Amino acid sequence: NAGVTQTPKFQVLKTGQSMTLQCAQDMNHNSMYWYRQDPGMGLRLIYYSASEGTTDKGEVPNGYNVSRLNKREFSLRLESAAPSQTSVYFCASSEIYTYNEQFFGPGTRLTVL
Amino acid sequence: QKEVEQDPGPLSVPEGAIVSLNCTYSNSAFQYFMWYRQYSRKGPELLMYTYSSGNKEDGRFTAQVDKSSKYISLFIRDSQPSDSATYLCAMNPTGGGNKLTFGTGTQLKVEL
Repeated sequence: NAGVTQTPKFQVLKTGQSMTLQCAQDMNHNSMYWYRQDPGMGLRLIYYSASEGTTDKGEVPNGYNVSRLNKREFSLRLESAAPSQTSVYFCASSEIYTYNEQFFGPGTRLTVL
Repeated sequence: QKEVEQDPGPLSVPEGAIVSLNCTYSNSAFQYFMWYRQYSRKGPELLMYTYSSGNKEDGRFTAQVDKSSKYISLFIRDSQPSDSATYLCAMNPTGGGNKLTFGTGTQLKVEL
């Protein structure tokens, strides 16, 4: 089992460019999450999907959109990237009722110039 | 003020030492307390999970929760270089759903 996979691993964008971060899990989990991690700020939830067909905002949703493509895949889109979105992005998944136990992917390191 | 406070470190200890990592919190509704371990350039992984107050032991690791003081701890006995990582505390109230609140993490280095 690969667990949670994320693509790409690294990305450099110019201000105003758009991109989509991809995430997939093979654990048959219902819930999926997108976090960003910044120095001194810890992990902050951007969006989550409690189950296929639903998405909800987290703590820092502005500037992002998400799509729960199917049970396995959850993508995060930056429509017009800004330098403030320079961060490490983590995707995670969990069973629907054991959401305190989340399984994380390896992360995407994004730099916006 | 953040809901969860955690000293960022770095904390450097010799191999074999007992390590104490701590978090304080302000939200008295938190009932679930987790410790995640994050190796450099990797995603976090769940290490310990406790509910309400008390202690939980798993091998060399002990998680302790003191709700009256709003204080949680992770103790590592006989620390090893492989324990070098960042340790994140995370919390959730009953009925809090999918939204965990994470601390900023403490960086630990165990030296030979």
